[in-house]
Amino acid sequence: SQQGEEDPQALSIQEGENATMNCSYKTSINNLQWYRQNSGRGLVHLILIRSNEREKHSGRLRVTLDTSKKSSSLLITASRAADTASYFCATDAGSGGSNYKLTFGKGTLLTVNP
Amino acid sequence: DVKVTQSSRYLVKRTGEKVFLECVQDMDHENMFWYRQDPGLGLRLIYFSYDVKMKEKGDIPEGYSVSREKKERFSLILESASTNQTSMYLCASSSIRWDRINEKLFFGSGTQLSVL
Repeated sequence: SQQGEEDPQALSIQEGENATMNCSYKTSINNLQWYRQNSGRGLVHLILIRSNEREKHSGRLRVTLDTSKKSSSLLITASRAADTASYFCATDAGSGGSNYKLTFGKGTLLTVNP
Repeated sequence: DVKVTQSSRYLVKRTGEKVFLECVQDMDHENMFWYRQDPGLGLRLIYFSYDVKMKEKGDIPEGYSVSREKKERFSLILESASTNQTSMYLCASSSIRWDRINEKLFFGSGTQLSVL
């Protein structure tokens, strides 16, 4: 079963605009991670936020985590055409024997138009 | 640079064949994972391994098995390939913290498997 669900499924913006993607999940988590995937390739890790953190920045990326609402958002500022990709959230929610697995959502397809 | 290498980028097999997908990581990671990715369904976990010879089922293990004889290598086996196993297969690895929580995953480039 999928723990995280991204919203929207698809997003199309113009270069220079900001892009915001959201992720909701169902159970308490240890951490939440965001990944990016260019078409037909493997995923690349973007940022990890732990359950005791509320906000994290990395370059043009800003991630927030609201554990009371079981949601996270990924903001990409000043988007570029090269940001066109699918973005996934993944949650590490285990305890005991299920500690090790990361569960992914279905992803948001971001298109940045030049 | 750290690396997760999947043996094939594209693979075409016949229904009923036994298929081996190989994955090697060079980071001495404890955890290794096999996911499949299908349009509209995202990534779904098939199996993962947290140590040599140790494995646990993911969300969709039916029709698959795995082998981890060495720490750096994790193999996914399709015992008798079927057309509904046509998919993109992604291998990943990660280290874990002292409290067994995953750090970030490193992914291979994926194997696009077609079963005819």
